[in-house]
Amino acid sequence: GESVGLHLPTLSVQEGDNSIINCAYSNSASDYFIWYKQESGKGPQFIIDIRSNMDKRQGQRVTVLLNKTVKHLSLQIAATQPGDSAVYFCAEYSGGGADGLTFGKGTHLIIQP
Amino acid sequence: NAGVTQTPKFRVLKTGQSMTLLCAQDMNHEYMYWYRQDPGMGLRLIHYSVGEGTTAKGEVPDGYNVSRLKKQNFLLGLESAAPSQTSVYFCASSWGYAQYFGPGTRLTVT
Repeated sequence: GESVGLHLPTLSVQEGDNSIINCAYSNSASDYFIWYKQESGKGPQFIIDIRSNMDKRQGQRVTVLLNKTVKHLSLQIAATQPGDSAVYFCAEYSGGGADGLTFGKGTHLIIQP
Repeated sequence: NAGVTQTPKFRVLKTGQSMTLLCAQDMNHEYMYWYRQDPGMGLRLIHYSVGEGTTAKGEVPDGYNVSRLKKQNFLLGLESAAPSQTSVYFCASSWGYAQYFGPGTRLTVT
């Protein structure tokens, strides 16, 4: 989930297991969502996106699920690898123009060997 | 394609000094953005631009100015740096909803 304080939520998984990272978004009118990955000391990297007319979208080793009823988004990473260790955050576009993308604070994914 | 690049990568300023951060993109994107990222907080939009010669204020514009004289470049200026502006600054560009980010500039104001 998303943090409202100074410390990010942490998810610790074993290497090779599947990871599920969750995000509760705020605006029921949001029609586009993105997941970003941010490694330590680097800029956010686009992973996958989904439009509100879809429930599921798959990429390479990643799947995004969207539940509009409860305003919930999740990112599933299959067969988690050490290189997946990063902060993951969701973003929602709720309209209003070029500045309509808002970002969550993120979840820190830690991979245990 | 280099994507989005930022210079410098690191900078230390004294209170009251000025500096300019440069962002460049080679993807021919119309939109460009400047964000700051502070520990435990999400990205906060400072200023953005919807095209060459245009700029607009974001969520936290005070103490910053921007210019977009060329489509590929977006400059962020601090006229009189304050310790509260210690942060990591990210530039992004887009042609649609999805934004693509640069590697960031870590700025410390003492």
